[in-house]
Amino acid sequence: GENVEQHPSTLSVQEGDSAVIKCTYSDSASNYFPWYKQELGKGPQLIIDIRSNVGEKKDQRIAVTLNKTAKHFSLHITETQPEDSAVYFCAATPSAARQLTFGSGTQLTVLP
Amino acid sequence: DTGVSQDPRHKITKRGQNVTFRCDPISEHNRLYWYRQTLGQGPEFLTYFQNEAQLEKSRLLSDRFSAERPKGSFSTLEIQRTEQGDSAMYLCASSSPQGLDGYTFGSGTRLTVV
Repeated sequence: GENVEQHPSTLSVQEGDSAVIKCTYSDSASNYFPWYKQELGKGPQLIIDIRSNVGEKKDQRIAVTLNKTAKHFSLHITETQPEDSAVYFCAATPSAARQLTFGSGTQLTVLP
Repeated sequence: DTGVSQDPRHKITKRGQNVTFRCDPISEHNRLYWYRQTLGQGPEFLTYFQNEAQLEKSRLLSDRFSAERPKGSFSTLEIQRTEQGDSAMYLCASSSPQGLDGYTFGSGTRLTVV
């Protein structure tokens, strides 16, 4: 089955700096890669996703890049703000309508 | 639409008791998923439904666990003879048929077995 590894497990940045979180996956059949943000006491919230037919996707301060050859994808957050502080999870699946395999999460702390 | 609703938000039970959780998905979503999340970990897949049919079950779903989705609307997850190892956050999510907009998760039910 799929295995997703996520690094780093914790990340602290100064407000206004950029943050990068990286994930690798094992199943070459995976073609849908979402990122979720989870705040304390809440369920994960989808913030951006990418499918294997594109290499990069951007939404305002958030971008995701995908390298299918190397089987890794990354989340980039620019101009970080304190409200970006949360746990971020990457995930992978062969189909957006099937089960997701999640990474172990990154605790992002944005220092004011 | 108010999103995915889960009830209760918190449940404390004694070891050996049975518990049941409920999930109400987004009304136009025909796929419904259950995940379990332990502290410091990502969610782990348990099972999913397409309409009322349960299409896939994880090996994490022991015979003490059962899920139903009568009439393809809300779903229930029951755990019989609870064990301390069942303590976790149980998350429900729903998606449209092709998953084009991704999953929408509920806020979860936190189970504590004492």
